[in-house]
Amino acid sequence: GAVVSQHPSWVICKSGTSVKIECRSLDFQATTMFWYRQFPKQSLMLMATSNEGSKATYEQGVEKDKFLINHASLTLSTLTVTSAHPEDSSFYICSAEEPVDEQFFGPGTRLTVL
Amino acid sequence: SQQGEEDPQALSIQEGENATMNCSYKTSINNLQWYRQNSGRGLVHLILIRSNEREKHSGRLRVTLDTSKKSSSLLITASRAADTASYFCATDGRRGNNRLAFGKGNQVVVIP
Repeated sequence: GAVVSQHPSWVICKSGTSVKIECRSLDFQATTMFWYRQFPKQSLMLMATSNEGSKATYEQGVEKDKFLINHASLTLSTLTVTSAHPEDSSFYICSAEEPVDEQFFGPGTRLTVL
Repeated sequence: SQQGEEDPQALSIQEGENATMNCSYKTSINNLQWYRQNSGRGLVHLILIRSNEREKHSGRLRVTLDTSKKSSSLLITASRAADTASYFCATDGRRGNNRLAFGKGNQVVVIP
């Protein structure tokens, strides 16, 4: 089956620093990837849709200058949390869409900002 | 507004019993999917049911969809301790871009 990986699986950083999270589709090409955020005991909230070779589409209320998304290839999308603050601490999950329109989810990245 | 809102409940059952969860949504959909998430982990896709389907089975899972009531149910039969997880439904609205809207999730605990 299709596999999506994320790196790192967890990261701890100081307030004010930037953190980059990678999402890779390992055995298929994904023209579209999605980034979600999940707070403890809550559901997944879609942050943005990442399209290869074009700008990401952000959901309402998500700051595009704070959450930079780059989808430079058909197998890699990155999410950079810039100037991270404790309230950005969350579980970030990506998904990659196969050409047949099924989404496969990565294992998630736990971000803790001190 | 949020799509795919499950009844906000935590379910605790004995191993071997059946577990039923419900999900309701607000707008028209192309399909509805159920996912499982173990604590602190990613999502595992369980089953997809299309808007023109009413019931679907996969192993011990049974999903129903009632588009007139905009609701779905997930039944896990003969539950096992390994079924302990959070279960989410997600809807794919008719927006043509496959953006999924997730519900709040149901926490299921299966007691051995």
